[in-house]
Amino acid sequence: DAGVTQSPTHLIKTRGQHVTLRCSPISGHKSVSWYQQVLGQGPQFIFQYYEKEERGRGNFPDRFSARQFPNYSSELNVNALLLGDSALYLCASSFEAGDQETQYFGPGTRLLVL
Amino acid sequence: AQKITQTQPGMFVQEKEAVTLDCTYDTSDPSYGLFWYKQPSSGEMIFLIYQGSYDQQNATEGRYSLNFQKARKSANLVISASQLGDSAMYFCAMIGRNRDDKIIFGKGTRLHILP
Repeated sequence: DAGVTQSPTHLIKTRGQHVTLRCSPISGHKSVSWYQQVLGQGPQFIFQYYEKEERGRGNFPDRFSARQFPNYSSELNVNALLLGDSALYLCASSFEAGDQETQYFGPGTRLLVL
Repeated sequence: AQKITQTQPGMFVQEKEAVTLDCTYDTSDPSYGLFWYKQPSSGEMIFLIYQGSYDQQNATEGRYSLNFQKARKSANLVISASQLGDSAMYFCAMIGRNRDDKIIFGKGTRLHILP
């Protein structure tokens, strides 16, 4: 069974550009969450989507946006990139959204902003 | 506010020994879940074990067990018979019944298994 997949695996951008990261959840999972992990820290929650609707948003500026498609895959968009956006971006999926749901993570996208 | 605290930034353990990774948490939610994830250098977060706040027994998954002490708000991970492949970052995490059901992570513990 395929796990959570993310693309691309690595990305290099310059300040001011925008980026789109993609995530495909485990088959049958309806919820997708996005996390940012900067070097030396634990992941920080960005968004959660469930059944194509935003269920939660972390403390990130409006430059960050996301959406979920009818097939439950998801995109994370970041506009006007800053050097501080350099991080590992992790996508996680769960069957539903709730406090008993285990989230399974993908391999991440490593973004470097120069 | 929810918070996860991992006080051990790094640990060195001899192969085949047992190791305990500490985790304390803080939450006002009556219902919550606690997780441990392993992150090798490749970056992928690997789910290890889950403990529900109302579970009466400590969770176990193979060589992993979670020492859940609700009154002390601690959820330590115990790895028995450590192996070289256990070398990685380990994150304790919590999810509560908040509107966004986000997972809160600790800062992690880097575990080094020595041959």
